[in-house]
Amino acid sequence: ILNVEQSPQSLHVQEGDSTNFTCSFPSSNFYALHWYRWETAKSPEALFVMTLNGDEKKKGRISATLNTKEGYSYLYIKGSQPEDSATYLCAPKGRRALTFGSGTRLQVQP
Amino acid sequence: DGGITQSPKYLFRKEGQNVTLSCEQNLNHDAMYWYRQDPGQGLRLIYYSQIVNDFQKGDIAEGYSVSREKKESFPLTVTSAQKNPTAFYLCASCVGNQPQHFGDGTRLSIL
Repeated sequence: ILNVEQSPQSLHVQEGDSTNFTCSFPSSNFYALHWYRWETAKSPEALFVMTLNGDEKKKGRISATLNTKEGYSYLYIKGSQPEDSATYLCAPKGRRALTFGSGTRLQVQP
Repeated sequence: DGGITQSPKYLFRKEGQNVTLSCEQNLNHDAMYWYRQDPGQGLRLIYYSQIVNDFQKGDIAEGYSVSREKKESFPLTVTSAQKNPTAFYLCASCVGNQPQHFGDGTRLSIL
């Protein structure tokens, strides 16, 4: 079982704040890194799939970077909005399948 | 619209009973997955299947069984051997290295 750590576990920010979270994973046997957003009462929704060291992806106000050599990825949210409130899951893919971290729960206060 | 359908949304199991959770997809995805979520924890992989008539154990397969007789369907049976079945179960599918698509989940409780 891959050891995937996400930090912080939870985060409360004010509307307009920018924030970032970390996902750490073993750098060996790495194939890809997935990020998902999971809103309450909905199913997880894919944000990014990254494969190459140094990859940067952006979707609106959300962006992510990947460092496969040291085994971490950062997710950034610029100017957080209340609709960004969700749990953000990262999942590295090894040889078999995805291994999910326990997520960072973000609450954005209006 | 293509998607993944899980049923039922809520399920109750009596002691000693096997129950089956349904997962159907019309996305023409080759791979399908079953995950379990417990409070405060991430998604843990129970079983997965990359092609029809083949499936692999995940990290917590004990007390569960699956079948993959059709590409569209990947039912999960929670057997009486699973002593702590109360959890939220999610089914997902994908093709190649694309992101996974998830169903809406089934919440299983013990009566």
